[in-house]
Amino acid sequence: DTGVSQDPRHKITKRGQNVTFRCDPISEHNRLYWYRQTLGQGPEFLTYFQNEAQLEKSRLLSDRFSAERPKGSFSTLEIQRTEQGDSAMYLCASSLGQRIQETQYFGPGTRLLVL
Amino acid sequence: GDSVTQMEGPVTLSEEAFLTINCTYTATGYPSLFWYVQYPGEGLQLLLKATKADDKGSNKGFEATYRKETTSFHLEKGSVQVSDSAVYFCALTENTGGFKTIFGAGTRLFVKA
Repeated sequence: DTGVSQDPRHKITKRGQNVTFRCDPISEHNRLYWYRQTLGQGPEFLTYFQNEAQLEKSRLLSDRFSAERPKGSFSTLEIQRTEQGDSAMYLCASSLGQRIQETQYFGPGTRLLVL
Repeated sequence: GDSVTQMEGPVTLSEEAFLTINCTYTATGYPSLFWYVQYPGEGLQLLLKATKADDKGSNKGFEATYRKETTSFHLEKGSVQVSDSAVYFCALTENTGGFKTIFGAGTRLFVKA
């Protein structure tokens, strides 16, 4: 299976701890996106990369959140000093191309619970 | 800012019934429009898309037409099946150089045999 993969699939942490999630996009996809989804809501855009460059960040992405995509391959999303409000599903997606209508392929998500 | 509004669920239908899920949007530019589907236990996947006014996207018997005059992109299917039970998300990507995608809250569909 060569789809988008995310690790871990589930994470339980205590408030104040740091967590890091990993996303492996479809091979050779140049664009990578992070979203957050809470129960009963649609995904909310957090940030996106074109190759290794982070080109857009949502205002939702506070300074406790940081994302990287070294070498334009996998990406990591780190949340520092987690808060209960960070509990959500974190989704990663990737796409190939230069146009906005390119299909985004989503991973299964990482479900975070902050106690 | 840009937004997507879709009808609240859940929507419960009998097999072979006609389906409509309403979606309207607000955008400052000229977005591309999408419907995504999430089946139970699976990740989000693209169902169909339309990139300009009057375009009709279609897939698996589902259709949606990009209506610029009413800023709508309603999802329809003539005869639903139990296997169509899922959550459906309407979404837009603004055509202003960025790639931010805005999703609606989702509409859960239950189809009874």
